[in-house]
Amino acid sequence: NAGVTQTPKFQVLKTGQSMTLQCAQDMNHEYMSWYRQDPGMGLRLIHYSVGAGITDQGEVPNGYNVSRSTTEDFPLRLLSAAPSQTSVYFCASSYSLGQGFYGYTFGSGTRLTVV
Amino acid sequence: DAKTTQPNSMESNEEEPVHLPCNHSTISGTDYIHWYRQLPSQGPEYVIHGLTSNVNNRMASLAIAEDRKSSTLILHRATLRDAAVYYCILRGANDYKLSFGAGTTVTVRA
Repeated sequence: NAGVTQTPKFQVLKTGQSMTLQCAQDMNHEYMSWYRQDPGMGLRLIHYSVGAGITDQGEVPNGYNVSRSTTEDFPLRLLSAAPSQTSVYFCASSYSLGQGFYGYTFGSGTRLTVV
Repeated sequence: DAKTTQPNSMESNEEEPVHLPCNHSTISGTDYIHWYRQLPSQGPEYVIHGLTSNVNNRMASLAIAEDRKSSTLILHRATLRDAAVYYCILRGANDYKLSFGAGTTVTVRA
C-alpha cells in the first residue's frame, strides 16, 4: 500500500549510542519532515526537506542530523542518544496541489527509549 | 506563526454531533485553516482544510467565521472511532510546515 513507512517501530538505546530512524515514502512527495511527540504533548518539528539534496532545521533540531539523497528516503540520525530524546518520532510527507494546499501523510511512528 | 486556541477536551455521546471550536484571531489573509486528528497510538491524519468558505468532506465539515478569526470542525455523527486528539493548524499558502498545538481531546461515550 502507498504511504509512509517508518522502521523500526520500537527501539531501546543506551545513552551515547547512535542510530538511524528510517523513513520511506512511495508517493513521489517532494516534501518530507520529522516530528517528535513527547507524552501528552503535540508534535514538534525536528528537520524537514523540500526536495532531494535540500534540508533545513525545524523547531528542535539539536542532537539530530538528516540528509535527503533521494525523493523516497529521509533518514533521521541520532548522533549520541540522550534520555531527553526518549519520544515517539513521526515522519511525514506531503505534496503540492497549488493554491496553498499541502496534504500530509504521516507514518505510524517509531517509539524510542533512551536509558 | 499565527496561533490557534482550542479547548483541552470535549465529550460527546455516540451518534450525536460534535462541534470543535478553534480561535485564530491573528490569522493572516493567506493562512489556510487545517484540521488533523490523531487516534491513539497512531500518527496524525488529515481531516479537512479551508480558506474562507465552509467546506464539507466525507469525514467532517468546516465552518469558518466571516471574519476568519474562528472556525468550527463539525463531526456530524460521532462514533467511538472518532475518539482522538483534534488539531487546528494555520498554514501559510507557501509554507510546507505544520505547527501543532496541544489540540482538543475528544471522548465519545457509547
